[in-house]
Amino acid sequence: ELKVEQNPLFLSMQEGKNYTIYCNYSTTSDRLYWYRQDPGKSLESLFVLLSNGAVKQEGRLMASLDTKARLSTLHITAAVHDLSATYFCAVDPNAGNNRKLIWGLGTSLAVNP
Amino acid sequence: ETGVTQSPTHLIKTRGQQVTLRCSSQSGHNTVSWYQQALGQGPQFIFQYYREEENGRGNFPPRFSGLQFPNYSSELNVNALELDDSALYLCASSLGGLAGGNNEQFFGPGTRLTVL
Repeated sequence: ELKVEQNPLFLSMQEGKNYTIYCNYSTTSDRLYWYRQDPGKSLESLFVLLSNGAVKQEGRLMASLDTKARLSTLHITAAVHDLSATYFCAVDPNAGNNRKLIWGLGTSLAVNP
Repeated sequence: ETGVTQSPTHLIKTRGQQVTLRCSSQSGHNTVSWYQQALGQGPQFIFQYYREEENGRGNFPPRFSGLQFPNYSSELNVNALELDDSALYLCASSLGGLAGGNNEQFFGPGTRLTVL
């Protein structure tokens, strides 16, 4: 059974600092997704990573994928309060025709002044 | 381009009742996935529909059922509601399903179901 683990689960950081969220998964996959969720809201797609070595950047966020290590990272540069949210990674196990996403528990990020 | 919509936004039911949740997919998308998200947890995959056929199912009992219509909108039905069914139910639409596409899923605002 595919498992997706994120760490840390909770992260409190100061504005202006850098930090990395890690997403490990337990089986072969070359499709990984990062989403953001604000409290009480739905999920917003941030990044789609489709191959080994993929790197994508949007503003202060950068995501990368290492399929050999089964690891994705979400790097936050010079954090600002607006980035406070819960961040999820999700993996597509690509098991034949059974298309679904398996999700981590999420990383709850609080950026403090 | 119309995004994913869901109805109702909130719903309160009692144990044993039945509920139907609705989802309209984003324009041009042919695949709808349903997820259950309990408080403080990640979404759990319920099932996916591609061109009106079920295209994968998670570990949910048969009292969770669904269908997809020719316009690709979808319904999630839950029979014999239990207290543990209280959660946010999210619908996501995407393009592809069986093959092709990057399976990027776009989520609706969700339906908050409370079972008393």
